[in-house]
Amino acid sequence: ILNVEQSPQSLHVQEGDSTNFTCSFPSSNFYALHWYRWETAKSPEALFVMTLNGDEKKKGRISATLNTKEGYSYLYIKGSQPEDSATYLCASEGGSQGNLIFGKGTKLSVKP
Amino acid sequence: EPEVTQTPSHQVTQMGQEVILRCVPISNHLYFYWYRQILGQKVEFLVSFYNNEISEKSEIFDDQFSVERPDGSNFTLKIRSTKLEDSAMYFCASSYVRSPRAGYTFGSGTRLTVV
Repeated sequence: ILNVEQSPQSLHVQEGDSTNFTCSFPSSNFYALHWYRWETAKSPEALFVMTLNGDEKKKGRISATLNTKEGYSYLYIKGSQPEDSATYLCASEGGSQGNLIFGKGTKLSVKP
Repeated sequence: EPEVTQTPSHQVTQMGQEVILRCVPISNHLYFYWYRQILGQKVEFLVSFYNNEISEKSEIFDDQFSVERPDGSNFTLKIRSTKLEDSAMYFCASSYVRSPRAGYTFGSGTRLTVV
């Protein structure tokens, strides 16, 4: 059984601050690592899917890295804006089952 | 952009009642999933569905739960006799291929409250 952990659970930053949070996952039987952005009352929005050790992906001010050997991924937000406020979920996809094992999420609040 | 649609957005039901949560996946997707999140806990996998049958189910998905794709459009989750602990946000998702890394779209969820 996979266990995906995220830290911190919540984060409060000022507009303009850069921030990062962590997702750790079992490195055995790894297939892919997903990051989602989830705002209340909306669908979780896919940010990144990463598969290879050393992968780095970027989408605007948001980027993510992946270390499959040690089992962690970082999500970075540069110059946080109030609209970045959301819960950021990571999920590990193990093997070829197609099912995701989620972490608890990091709730980000960005104050103007 | 195509969406996964879930209805209702919020449902309140009495303990012991049956509920049906409805989802309309993206039209050319072939794999369908239900997940749930109990307040304050992790999003958990319930069941995956392909070619009109269950592909995989978790321990949570016991005999009280069933899924169906009745008309080629809707994908439903039925809870036969709801318990208080079934209160959660239920998410439907769909993908074109089995591995979600190729594209995995979630609906906005149905919040089920069992009283």
